[in-house]
Amino acid sequence: DAGVTQSPTHLIKTRGQQVTLRCSPKSGHDTVSWYQQALGQGPQFIFQYYEEEERQRGNFPDRFSGHQFPNYSSELNVNALLLGDSALYLCASSWWGVNTEAFFGQGTRLTVV
Amino acid sequence: GEDVEQSLFLSVREGDSSVINCTYTDSSSTYLYWYKQEPGAGLQLLTYIFSNMDMKQDQRLTVLLNKKDKHLSLRIADTQTGDSAIYFCAEGPYSGGGADGLTFGKGTHLIIQP
Repeated sequence: DAGVTQSPTHLIKTRGQQVTLRCSPKSGHDTVSWYQQALGQGPQFIFQYYEEEERQRGNFPDRFSGHQFPNYSSELNVNALLLGDSALYLCASSWWGVNTEAFFGQGTRLTVV
Repeated sequence: GEDVEQSLFLSVREGDSSVINCTYTDSSSTYLYWYKQEPGAGLQLLTYIFSNMDMKQDQRLTVLLNKKDKHLSLRIADTQTGDSAIYFCAEGPYSGGGADGLTFGKGTHLIIQP
């Protein structure tokens, strides 16, 4: 079992560009959540996907959007990148309807210059 | 709003016990979690406790929950150099999904002295 995998591991983008990050959940999991972890901070919840729909959303602007595919994998898209979007983006997977622990991937380090 | 507070640093001698503390504000929290993050890595779930429990023990780890004071602690017995990491406390309300918009603290850096 590969666990939760994220790609790419590192990414450098220019301010104003758009970026897409990818996540494959742990085998058997059907729910994917995304978190943003700025340097020196704890992770902050962006949104959660289940059955290809956004189910919950944290306090993030509409520039942050996502998608979940039929195979449960997910993408996080960020438009009009700002310097402040530089962070580690973490994906977590779990089962829906069972309040259990979330398994996190290693993250994608995004640097906006 | 929801808030989770942790002290930023804790320094202990190798072999001693480490106690990392956390306070939270959301009384509707159902689960409280401890995650470990090593440099350059993602988050590793260490343990969690259901809000109707007072204590949970798992090998070297002991979690204590004082629901009245909204205080959570993680005790690591016989602390080793491999325990050096950032420890995050997190809370999560029950709404059906396992990840459920967890609210994290800023993390406690555990420093091990030889």
